[in-house]
Amino acid sequence: EVQLVESGGGLVKPGGSLRLSCAASGFTFSDAWMNWVRQAPGKGLEWVGRIRNEVDGGTTDYAAPVKGRFTISRDDSKNTLYLQMNSLKTEDTAVYYCTTRIEMGTDGALDSWGQGTMVTVSS
Amino acid sequence: DIVMTQTPLSSPVTLGQPASISCRSSQSLVHSDGNTYLSWLQQRPGQPPRLLIYKISNRFSGVPDRFSGSGAGTDFTLKISRVEAEDVGVYYCMQATHFPSYTFGQGTKLEIK
Repeated sequence: EVQLVESGGGLVKPGGSLRLSCAASGFTFSDAWMNWVRQAPGKGLEWVGRIRNEVDGGTTDYAAPVKGRFTISRDDSKNTLYLQMNSLKTEDTAVYYCTTRIEMGTDGALDSWGQGTMVTVSS
Repeated sequence: DIVMTQTPLSSPVTLGQPASISCRSSQSLVHSDGNTYLSWLQQRPGQPPRLLIYKISNRFSGVPDRFSGSGAGTDFTLKISRVEAEDVGVYYCMQATHFPSYTFGQGTKLEIK
């Protein structure tokens, strides 16, 4: 069974930092391109960024609102994805989901999601 | 930047009746490889999103056949043939054609009358 379990959320002051983790199991994590998607309270979904697998270069892409402040990394030996969030703003308050595509053929879709972890940025 | 526009934003439906949600993109979603990377997700209250449909019309495993997707180019539709109580939630379209970003629609709230 595929599992994605996020952790590390909490309350942080504006300008502060936080690191989220996503522990993966039930699939070959090292093969997967991994994404973070967030959802502000009562709002829709917003893609945050992705990291490719090592075979595809392990490179990252970010959405404009977080570029330069957030860093995505992975540890394939631990089957874990990370999101380092610096210079946090109140508008970063959201549930952060770890998500990926696992099934062959579902290209361009996100077929597996974690339960999410809440990040609140407030003074 | 690609903009995904869903209509309606709210859809009250009677149980057993059909429902339809539209998604329009600001640019064609046909990729240079010939595929159209438009998917639909469902988010039930208090739950993470769940993939329903990928590449316009392919149902993901375990998705009931009352859900169907159609469309081409810039206009896409999600249909539920007979709404059940468990279908209550918010539905999102998502494009992955215009890499590297994924873009979601604003969401359509499906509720029972």
